[in-house]
Amino acid sequence: KNQVEQSPQSLIILEGKNCTLQCNYTVSPFSNLRWYKQDTGRGPVSLTIMTFSENTKSNGRYTATLDADTKQSSLHITASQLSDSASYICVVSHLDSWGKLQFGAGTQVVVTP
Amino acid sequence: NAGVTQTPKFRILKIGQSMTLQCTQDMNHNYMYWYRQDPGMGLKLIYYSVGAGITDKGEVPNGYNVSRSTTEDFPLRLELAAPSQTSVYFCASSYLFDRSGQETQYFGPGTRLLVL
Repeated sequence: KNQVEQSPQSLIILEGKNCTLQCNYTVSPFSNLRWYKQDTGRGPVSLTIMTFSENTKSNGRYTATLDADTKQSSLHITASQLSDSASYICVVSHLDSWGKLQFGAGTQVVVTP
Repeated sequence: NAGVTQTPKFRILKIGQSMTLQCTQDMNHNYMYWYRQDPGMGLKLIYYSVGAGITDKGEVPNGYNVSRSTTEDFPLRLELAAPSQTSVYFCASSYLFDRSGQETQYFGPGTRLLVL
């Protein structure tokens, strides 16, 4: 069973609109949670990293939130742009397995004009 | 810096053939990783290395081999290609810890492999 579940699988939004992606995880003990952006045909690129003590972290128009009690995270994209079209991957790190990450399957976001 | 580079970008193999996927990083990172990404699935760790001469198995190592003779290079070897190895392969690297105490992995552009 995958320890990191993401929803929705895919979504289409109009340019300029906001959207929120969800990530639920069961990884324990938990070290940190990352969001990656993966453009088609490219490798993932880190957007944010949060430890269990952090509730929110921003990177430009991307804002990630974390609730370590409920084991949920979200990624909010504000004022979407065409360049935001990509797969967004939630990644969770074990506290005692440094470097070994559990990857979600990703949410495919398509921004249309 | 070029970051993490991978070659080839795309390859078609026949069942039973062998090949080596190349990975090089110029950031002087200690840690390097090989992942595979199948459609609709999260990345799976194949092998990783904590430094030159040291490698260890990840989640899905069967059918693959690695070596780490230098800090920069971490090739992945497929000895007897099987259709189940059709996938996109990503190499990544990281420091032990970055300044914030949280390691960031930097990924290469990937190698698409098709085994027929």
